[in-house]
Amino acid sequence: QVQLQESGPGLVKPAETLSLTCTVSGGSISNYYWSWIRQPPGKGLEWIGYIYYTGSTNYNPSLKSRVTISVDTSKNQFSLKLTSVTAADTAVYYCARDDVRDGYDGYFDSWGQGTLVTVSS
Amino acid sequence: DIQMTQSPSSLSASVGDRVTITCQASQDIGNYLNWYQQKPGKAPKLLIYDASNLETGVPSRFSGSGSGTDFTFTISSLQPEDIATYYCQQYDNLPFTFGPGTKVDIK
Repeated sequence: QVQLQESGPGLVKPAETLSLTCTVSGGSISNYYWSWIRQPPGKGLEWIGYIYYTGSTNYNPSLKSRVTISVDTSKNQFSLKLTSVTAADTAVYYCARDDVRDGYDGYFDSWGQGTLVTVSS
Repeated sequence: DIQMTQSPSSLSASVGDRVTITCQASQDIGNYLNWYQQKPGKAPKLLIYDASNLETGVPSRFSGSGSGTDFTFTISSLQPEDIATYYCQQYDNLPFTFGPGTKVDIK
């Protein structure tokens, strides 16, 4: 069974760049989409974007100007960079596998445990 | 973006009760809707996909129905371990969007 694990700094200063990595184990990163999803404390879920194992990406327009998602298939990892962060970017960040079923993706069937990133000076 | 709404925002029910949550999309999304369960401090878990299909390993007391803009999620007999927040999510159009959640607890 595939497992995902987020890693990265838990504290980022305002205006700096948030960087997280998701390591996939128990399965290959190939043939799937991989998403980042975040959840501000006490609030709901927001999809940030995804990357296909080939490197093609799609981002939420609300964050598109600040987001980059990349993949390293040799390490079975994918990463998130979010620039110019503010307190509004404080959230639990999840990585998730985005399964493809009958030609459609959008099924988040495996998730990391999540990592809290706080933006504060 | 497709906006998702849910009602109620929270509910309390007794063990064994039937619990129903509704989700509405701002436009027709066919049956491209998932339901997730999130327990406190944990990641969400996919329960229902394509509006009405039970994910492998999920108890049969969970079910979903609907299409177009109106969807329903049901727990046929509420159990103590079902205490959680439940989210709907559409995948008809990018960006994927989630409902605001419905918090379920025991009366």
